[in-house]
Amino acid sequence: KAGVTQTPRYLIKTRGQQVTLSCSPISGHRSVSWYQQTPGQGLQFLFEYFSETQRNKGNFPGRFSGRQFSNSRSEMNVSTLELGDSALYLCASRGFYEQYFGPGTRLTVT
Amino acid sequence: AQTVTQSQPEMSVQEAETVTLSCTYDTSENNYYLFWYKQPPSRQMILVIRQEAYKQQNATENRFSVNFQKAAKSFSLKISDSQLGDTAMYFCAFMKALDSSGTYKYIFGTGTRLKVLA
Repeated sequence: KAGVTQTPRYLIKTRGQQVTLSCSPISGHRSVSWYQQTPGQGLQFLFEYFSETQRNKGNFPGRFSGRQFSNSRSEMNVSTLELGDSALYLCASRGFYEQYFGPGTRLTVT
Repeated sequence: AQTVTQSQPEMSVQEAETVTLSCTYDTSENNYYLFWYKQPPSRQMILVIRQEAYKQQNATENRFSVNFQKAAKSFSLKISDSQLGDTAMYFCAFMKALDSSGTYKYIFGTGTRLKVLA
């Protein structure tokens, strides 16, 4: 099976802009979770989608949102970007209980 | 609230030797899952090994094995015959079900940076 794919791999944005990241899970997986990884805060859970419904949400401001499509692909959107949003954004696909991660999207906000 | 603690921020080991990474967690749950993930410099997070809490037998995957002590809430990872390719950040993770509909909660430790020396 193909692994989890994320696009784009690298992104540079300016403060105040918005960004959309995409994640395609492993075929057959219906759960997609998003994480933010920074050197200072480690791996922080953003939200999980299962069958197009947000099932769980981390402690992030409303500027961070997501959605999942009927083919299980997921997008994450960050509006009004701040410098502190610079991070590696990881997407994880889950079949039963094991999560498999994508390569991540490195977002740099200038 | 559940927490996962990795008390060793950095470790190093000589090639071909054995190293043990520590992880402790705090939970009042009885049913949960534990994982070790590896994140090499390439940044791709890779699942190394998993352990179901209801299983007493320690999980093993080739050179990787765990020492799962449920009562002590300890879940250490042992890497035998260390190889240069084992150089990475290692994360311990705890997972439990939030409800019966398939919603799970994952909590990650802060990671241990392991360097394998030639």
